[in-house]
Formats: sequence, structure tokens, C-alpha cells
Amino acid sequence: EVQLVQSGAEVKKPGESLKISCKVSGYNFTNYWIGWVRQMPGKGLEWMGIFYPEDSNAIYSPSFQGQVTISADKSISTAYLQWSTLKASDTAMYYCARHGRYCIGGTCYPYYFDYWGQGTLVTVSS
Amino acid sequence: QLVLTQSPSASASLGASVKLTCTLSSGHSSYAIAWHQQQPEKGPRFLMNLNRDGSHSKGDGIPDRFSGSSSGAERYLTISSLQSEDEADYYCQTWGTGIWVFGGGTKLTVL
Repeated sequence: EVQLVQSGAEVKKPGESLKISCKVSGYNFTNYWIGWVRQMPGKGLEWMGIFYPEDSNAIYSPSFQGQVTISADKSISTAYLQWSTLKASDTAMYYCARHGRYCIGGTCYPYYFDYWGQGTLVTVSS
Repeated sequence: QLVLTQSPSASASLGASVKLTCTLSSGHSSYAIAWHQQQPEKGPRFLMNLNRDGSHSKGDGIPDRFSGSSSGAERYLTISSLQSEDEADYYCQTWGTGIWVFGGGTKLTVL
């Protein structure tokens, strides 16, 4: 059974740093891309970026490039989303999700999200 | 620019059927999409992916009441025999080279 289990809710002050996690099980972590999605209070889903654990390749949405860092630790099948300097506007629910993939000629490519984590609520307030 | 457009809201009666629409932007009418459901106070759940020809494959445990179809740049999610737990936000998603996009979501109310 594929599972993505995210770390617990966080309350931080503006200017602080934060790293949240997404631990996966039920499949080979290095074979699938992992994505992160933001949902601000009362709003829709926003794609932030994706990461390929096999080669540490990351692609960021232009809206989030330079604002966050996506990484992973293959040894513990865990992906991370990190901020160096939080702002109040970072207050949101954050979801990790696995990308399904299709393979052509031995190369695999990510497409839609097929499994989701339960979400991590990040609150940034002074 | 790759954009998905959804109506903000829809409603239908318990036991009836409803058809939600996701429209691909000009020049992208051949793209496949995925549908996701987000029930109140819960995380999203993958429902199905949907190709330009209407073929689709569902996620784990998704009931037969959920089906997908396509026409031109429009992608549809049909839910039949509506149940109270179908009241949720429904998002479509697509992808291009190095970009993934969500529609704005449709809030479905079951009357």
C-alpha cells in the first residue's frame, strides 16, 4: 500500500526557518517524482515544485523558485520542503504527493499526482 | 499559457447525477488531465486521469459512480447516484514540459 505520511503542524515566527517532511512507503522511493502543493486558507491548490530522488533533480514553479527548497534523503525514503526565512504569507497547508509516471525507451517521466500525503499546516505569526 | 478553467460551484440533488467541466486553454486541447477530490477538512485524493479520447483510469478504491469523458478542449467528471460524501471540492490538473497546473476548483454541493 502506497503511503505518504507528513510531519505535524508547525507554528513559527516571521524570519524563522522550517523544514517539513514527507515519509513514503509501499513503493521504491527513488523511482518516482515527489511534488509539493500549497493550499492557502480558503483557496485552491498551487503546484510548488517536484523532485526526483534518484538524481536529486528539482523543478520549481516560477512562483516559488528561490522561496523554498525541495530535497530528499533516499536512505529513509523521505522528502522535504524547506524555508530559510518564513513570512506570514507562507501560512498555509502543504501537501506532498507522488507523481505517477510513464516510461518510454527506458526513460520515465512524471505526470499527474496519484497519491497524496495528509498535509502539514504551517502557521507563521508574530 | 497552459491554464485550466473550472466553474467555481455546482449543485445537484442526492441520488442524481452531476457533470463537472474542466476546460483546457487554447492550443492545449489534446492534453490529458487528472481529477482530484478534496472533501471538507481533508487532503486531496486522486480520482482518475483522463485522456483526450475519453479513456481514463481510476485511483485505488474509486467507485464506479465516478466516470470521465472528453470533448475537444473540455474534460468532464460525471458523478452518478450522488451521495452526501460526494460534497467536496473537485480539482483538475494537467502538466506540460516542466510545469504542472491546477484548475481553480469546483465546489460541489449535494442538496
